Amino acid sequence: LAKTTQPISMDSYEGQEVNITCSHNNIATNDYITWYQQFPSQGPRFIIQGYKTKVTNEVASLFIPADRKSSTLSLPRVSLSDTAVYYCLVAPFYNQGGKLIFGQGTELSVKP
Amino acid sequence: NAGVMQNPRHLVRRRGQEARLRCSPMKGHSHVYWYRQLPEEGLKFMVYLQKENIIDESGMPKERFSAEFPKEGPSILRIQQVVRGDSAAYFCASSPRLQGTSSYNEQFFGPGTRLTVL
Repeated sequence: LAKTTQPISMDSYEGQEVNITCSHNNIATNDYITWYQQFPSQGPRFIIQGYKTKVTNEVASLFIPADRKSSTLSLPRVSLSDTAVYYCLVAPFYNQGGKLIFGQGTELSVKP
Repeated sequence: NAGVMQNPRHLVRRRGQEARLRCSPMKGHSHVYWYRQLPEEGLKFMVYLQKENIIDESGMPKERFSAEFPKEGPSILRIQQVVRGDSAAYFCASSPRLQGTSSYNEQFFGPGTRLTVL
């Protein structure tokens, strides 16, 4: 499974757009990029997954350039409740191994 | 549809005692995963089970730890003779059988059991 690198922490203010970039230089052809969110004292929650270009859902957008060696999670107009740790993961779509490999994640702090 | 349930939410044990953590997956989910999160660290995979079978236990410590997912009832993570280093949050996740375009990469996590070893 490809190794991921993302910033350890980020600060933002309410109402701003937050972009968290993850690099995964060794991503394989059949790998997908998945992001999870973890609030304090809770289990992680799946946010979004994509293969290339752009994916958008009600929570976030995911931008993936053509070379797929990085990806950017975009959170529009964050609020205090978006304070959490965000994990970028890379794994095959049909992850036969089952397990997810979590890195250190990015701790996002949203201030008033 | 209830989410993944874990109990107890908090568990305190003295060194040398046994800890039993239970996980009930979401209805219809036959895949269960256990992860451990040590203080100030990310989640680490421990074990992957399907009903009555251990599929991948590459993340389990070699001694004192065991897991099962019986035909009936919840999945159990058992830690024998606990030590202070076992203090952590233990998360269970589940996923459904692979159908159509569903992805193994979406796992549904429970709220965790926080184990404290005195």
